Amino acid sequence: DTGVSQDPRHKITKRGQNVTFRCDPISEHNRLYWYRQTLGQGPEFLTYFQNEAQLEKSRLLSDRFSAERPKGSFSTLEIQRTEQGDSAMYLCASNGGRRGYEQYFGPGTRLTVT
Amino acid sequence: GQNIDQPTEMTATEGAIVQINCTYQTSGFNGLFWYQQHAGEAPTFLSYNVLDGLEEKGRFSSFLSRSKGYSYLLLKELQMKDSASYLCAVRENDYKLSFGAGTTVTVRA
Repeated sequence: DTGVSQDPRHKITKRGQNVTFRCDPISEHNRLYWYRQTLGQGPEFLTYFQNEAQLEKSRLLSDRFSAERPKGSFSTLEIQRTEQGDSAMYLCASNGGRRGYEQYFGPGTRLTVT
Repeated sequence: GQNIDQPTEMTATEGAIVQINCTYQTSGFNGLFWYQQHAGEAPTFLSYNVLDGLEEKGRFSSFLSRSKGYSYLLLKELQMKDSASYLCAVRENDYKLSFGAGTTVTVRA
């Protein structure tokens, strides 16, 4: 079990560019979550997948954000036309199985929009 | 909306005890988590309370009172490595977590 992994760990982009992040959950976990965390704040829920189905999206997830989990394994989060306010740490988490309540977090992708 | 309050910062001496309080008002309640987060790292699970009372796990204990919308995390025998942010999170339904802003604990020698 290698834990939840995220790629890239850091991304610097110019305003207006598109970015895509990837999350690989723990293999036996069927649930996957995306959160956004800004400095001095706790993680904010963005969206949730059970297998390949996206079951909830936060109001924080504007039309510029889209997430997919095409085969119920890895997930991608895309931000189109990035804005400076998108600068944050994007965290992925997964859970499922026997200890289904505990969410295991990945190391995050830190996005800086210049 | 969700309201989860915890102190912003706490400082304590190595070997001492610190108690981090968390109060919450949420649309749903299906358990309360405490996570530890070192700077620049992912949150890591510390404890989960779904029933009232105290859960003890080594140097860390967590308490829940559902009627009061209140929890605390107790850190005993503080070590320098315990310097981190501690996040209180309410599980609102079967899957969704709402986090407080976190309490930064600084342990001094």
